[in-house]
Amino acid sequence: TQLLEQSPQFLSIQEGENLTVYCNSSSVFSSLQWYRQEPGEGPVLLVTVVTGGEVKKLKRLTFQFGDARKDSSLHITAAQPGDTGLYLCAGPSHITGNTPLVFGKGTRLSVIA
Amino acid sequence: DAGITQSPRYKITETGRQVTLMCHQTWSHSYMFWYRQDLGHGLRLIYYSAAADITDKGEVPDGYVVSRSKTENFPLTLESATRSQTSVYFCASSVTGVAGELFFGEGSRLTVL
Repeated sequence: TQLLEQSPQFLSIQEGENLTVYCNSSSVFSSLQWYRQEPGEGPVLLVTVVTGGEVKKLKRLTFQFGDARKDSSLHITAAQPGDTGLYLCAGPSHITGNTPLVFGKGTRLSVIA
Repeated sequence: DAGITQSPRYKITETGRQVTLMCHQTWSHSYMFWYRQDLGHGLRLIYYSAAADITDKGEVPDGYVVSRSKTENFPLTLESATRSQTSVYFCASSVTGVAGELFFGEGSRLTVL
């Protein structure tokens, strides 16, 4: 089973600051997904990255998939309190890609107004 | 659009009792999953199902039983609950495949005393 490590585990920042969270592995992934989970709710998909080097933007969120498809990052510009939550990355548990998702442990982000 | 509904949302039980967590989806997605979420472990897959009457083990299946007689329902049973099964349980579904985008329910918080 392929493993995903996320860093940092916790991040507390002021509104308006920029931040980057990371999702790393020693294994190659066919794709990676990013989810956000708010307290008392299930995770919700933000984006899927498939191609090495791919960059996707979702408003103030920028997602990048590493060239070697072993890592991914999420950059948030001008963070807002509504960005608070647990950010999870996930990918197929086997390199073939046709297996259930394995999740990283997440980065818990708190944006203070 | 109800999506995925889980019940009960909260449950307190005693060691040794049988507990069933219900999951119902209104989309007719082929794939359904059960994950548990624990501090320090993140989301871990318990069981998944590709279609009615087809189920498979995930990372942490011991102590759990699933069934899927109808596409829309995927109940999870703890045959004899243990304290280590205290957790938040999430049901999810996917229309695009076993490694596709997951749509999660709101979770069932189970406490085993």
